[in-house]
Amino acid sequence: NAGVTQTPKFRVLKTGQSMTLLCAQDMNHEYMYWYRQDPGMGLRLIHYSVGEGTTAKGEVPDGYNVSRLKKQNFLLGLESAAPSQTSVYFCASSYLANSGNTIYFGEGSWLTVV
Amino acid sequence: GESVGLHLPTLSVQEGDNSIINCAYSNSASDYFIWYKQESGKGPQFIIDIRSNMDKRQGQRVTVLLNKTVKHLSLQIAATQPGDSAVYFCAEKGGGSYQLTFGKGTKLSVIP
Repeated sequence: NAGVTQTPKFRVLKTGQSMTLLCAQDMNHEYMYWYRQDPGMGLRLIHYSVGEGTTAKGEVPDGYNVSRLKKQNFLLGLESAAPSQTSVYFCASSYLANSGNTIYFGEGSWLTVV
Repeated sequence: GESVGLHLPTLSVQEGDNSIINCAYSNSASDYFIWYKQESGKGPQFIIDIRSNMDKRQGQRVTVLLNKTVKHLSLQIAATQPGDSAVYFCAEKGGGSYQLTFGKGTKLSVIP
């Protein structure tokens, strides 16, 4: 049981390049989330999904797209990376929407845009 | 417990002492609050939660206090250990919302 797995863990991109971060969970959770964390800041929600085939915008969605084609996977895409998207990205999943102890976070993906 | 700019507030505590980490939340409609612990290079881990119909909740070595009047949340850690060194975040959620709003975090350093 791996929990929440994010790939890649580290990536350096040039401005304007595109990439996709993959999040996979093996807990059969309905809800999945992508957050970003900047230095000295808490996590901010980018996009989330309440089930397979659904996505919704969070607090900071601009510059990102997501897809949830399979229940276990939640993909975060950057179509044209910008230096402002340099951050640590965390994926999370949960089987309840309103209970913090059911939210499981991945280990993070460090992205640098130069 | 709130940070300014890029620098996290830091709390340094002697091993064995009690720690108190504070958090001011912003949304008076929030009805659910959570404390997370984040160790270096890892994702946040759940510590304890509390709903707005309570003002205190205890776990193993941790206690969360909620003061809705002044929109303040605190985390108390008893007999702080070196393994407690981490960044601690509070998070709030409004009724019916899927979104957790995180505070900026407090770094706890335990002095052996």
